[in-house]
Amino acid sequence: DVRMTQSPSALSASIGDKVTITCRASQGVNTYVAWFQHKPGKAPQSLIYAASYRHSGVPSRFSGAGSGTTFTLTINSLQSEDLGTYYCQHYGSYPFTFGGGTKVDMK
Amino acid sequence: QVQLVESGGGVVQPGRSLRLSCAASGFTFSSYGMHWVRQAPGKGLEWVAVIWYDGSNKYYADSVKGRFTISRDNSKNTLYLEMNSLRVDDSAVYYCVREKGKWDLWGQGVQVSVSS
Repeated sequence: DVRMTQSPSALSASIGDKVTITCRASQGVNTYVAWFQHKPGKAPQSLIYAASYRHSGVPSRFSGAGSGTTFTLTINSLQSEDLGTYYCQHYGSYPFTFGGGTKVDMK
Repeated sequence: QVQLVESGGGVVQPGRSLRLSCAASGFTFSSYGMHWVRQAPGKGLEWVAVIWYDGSNKYYADSVKGRFTISRDNSKNTLYLEMNSLRVDDSAVYYCVREKGKWDLWGQGVQVSVSS
């Protein structure tokens, strides 16, 4: 099974900061990586698919990059509504697996 | 309105069974693969199972294989998760998710609590 290792597990940032979250796959997964945002008590929201494509309606400050084993999610100019936990996921083969999550809060 | 609505959760004793449902509306349900994902208290997201758009293939996480069964009824626009031999560590919020090459629609989730 492919293991997805996310870092950092938590971070504090200020409004307007650039935030980068990294996800490493235990083996190559091409670009079969997605990113999700999850806020307490709400359904997760899909942000990025195929490593770098934004879902419809996702603000342009969110961007994804990478291929093979290393992937990043970047939030340019962090906004208050971006607080929450972010997960990467590989979907190149079953079983799909998620990273452990990165909790983003305000400094 | 395009949406997924889960139901069937509740409190159940270890070893018992429960069936979750996910009602789809506002889109052609039979054109999409469907997944179940869960989040245990204080834990991250965990993929549980998938069923292809026509029900022809199903895959499971090792943690539920042999105990859970995913199924769908395209005539009723409904996805199911039959959960047997439930364990305390199956306690979680369960979400259904739509997929056609990408995951783009999540249900609001349903709580399952396994406790004696």
